[in-house]
Amino acid sequence: DTAVSQTPKYLVTQMGNDKSIKCEQNLGHDTMYWYKQDSKKFLKIMFSYNNKELIINETVPNRFSPKSPDKAHLNLHINSLELGDSAVYFCASSALGTDTQYFGPGTRLTVL
Amino acid sequence: GENVEQHPSTLSVQEGDSAVIKCTYSDSASNYFPWYKQELGKRPQLIIDIRSNVGEKKDQRIAVTLNKTAKHFSLHITETQPEDSAVYFCAASTGTASKLTFGTGTRLQVTL
Repeated sequence: DTAVSQTPKYLVTQMGNDKSIKCEQNLGHDTMYWYKQDSKKFLKIMFSYNNKELIINETVPNRFSPKSPDKAHLNLHINSLELGDSAVYFCASSALGTDTQYFGPGTRLTVL
Repeated sequence: GENVEQHPSTLSVQEGDSAVIKCTYSDSASNYFPWYKQELGKRPQLIIDIRSNVGEKKDQRIAVTLNKTAKHFSLHITETQPEDSAVYFCAASTGTASKLTFGTGTRLQVTL
C-alpha cells in the first residue's frame, strides 16, 4: 500500500522517559511534517523537513528533536517526557511543488 | 503568523439537510485552503481544497467557496448522510512545503 505510516500506534510511558516515534512514506514525497493534536483536537504544526533539511521549526521545546535519515523517513524523538506531551502526533507528507498534505494514522502518546 | 477561525464548533443536522462550516483567515499571503474530515480515532483525510485563484469548487455533494477580499472560505455539504458525521477542519497555508494552520474544528452530527 502506498501511504504514510507511523509506529507505534500507541505509546504509554512514564514521565521523564525518552521515546521515539517513527514515520515513513512511500509516496515519493519530498516534504514531511509533524503535527500535534491535543485533547481538544487542536492540530498544530511542530516541524517540517524538505529533502532531509529542517525548514519549519515552530515554538517547540528542545526536548523534541526530529531526525530525517532520508527523505522517506522523519522520526520524532522526545526527551524527558512530561504530562503535557500527551497527545496524538501525526506525520504528514507532500510532494515537491505541491501543497496537498497526506497524513499518517497517528501515534497516541500517553504520559503517566 | 496566520490565524484561522472556524465556526460553528458543533453542528447538528437532519439527514438530507445541508451543512455549512465557515472559516476566516488573517494572512493575505495564504493561497491554499484545504478541508479535512477526521473520524473518531482516525487520521485527517483531505476531502476538498481550493486555491486562491478560484472562487468556488465542487465535488459531488461537497463544495467550497473562497472570498479572498473578506478572507473567508466555507464548506458546504448537501444531502447529508449519517456517514458525514465527523470533525471537519479547515486550514490555510502559503503554498508548497508550507505549514498548514488549522481551524479549531467543527463536530458535525447527522441525525436520522
